[in-house]
Amino acid sequence: DVKVTQSSRYLVKRTGEKVFLECVQDMDHENMFWYRQDPGLGLRLIYFSYDVKMKEKGDIPEGYSVSREKKERFSLILESASTNQTSMYLCASSTPGQGTYGYTFGSGTRLTVV
Amino acid sequence: QKEVEQNSGPLSVPEGAIASLNCTYSDRVSQSFFWYRQYSGKSPELIMSIYSNGDKEDGRFTAQLNKASQYVSLLIRDSQPSDSATYLCAVKEMGSGNTGKLIFGQGTTLQVKP
Repeated sequence: DVKVTQSSRYLVKRTGEKVFLECVQDMDHENMFWYRQDPGLGLRLIYFSYDVKMKEKGDIPEGYSVSREKKERFSLILESASTNQTSMYLCASSTPGQGTYGYTFGSGTRLTVV
Repeated sequence: QKEVEQNSGPLSVPEGAIASLNCTYSDRVSQSFFWYRQYSGKSPELIMSIYSNGDKEDGRFTAQLNKASQYVSLLIRDSQPSDSATYLCAVKEMGSGNTGKLIFGQGTTLQVKP
């Protein structure tokens, strides 16, 4: 069964810490995405990557960075965690093109910053 | 700004009824459309995709697409309490190369009452 795996289901971090969220996919997908989801705000795109070492900013990149050193792994980095980054973080992957292939999502990481 | 609009609900239907979920999109050239189901605290799960005008059926689910009206809908027949969830409409973004990026609506919450 194909999968997108996020390393942590729940995470509690302190304000100011550097936080790493890891995402690994086994589908050989070119595209990978990081979203955050908050009540009433829906899914908001933070960063995405369409190839190894390539990245593009999404709608809310401030306070975040990403790394994609290998095709299967896409990491989200919170440079200095703040309480307003408490959220559900969702990783997704997909193939390129305009076919009927949507995203496959990971199970999510619920991050609490205290 | 490309947009996907959904009524946030909640949409409440009795068990066994047909639930009708609706979505409109702003980008006239969009070609690929998706419905995701998201249970509370879980990640979105792809349930339907549609590419051509008309209806596409899969079990109790039917996706309907009308590109002229820029409208896509999801019908759930014989609704069950287990169908209670938030349903996200997503449209694959055109004009961004092969990133395969999806634009999501805010989601409609469906409640199926026994």
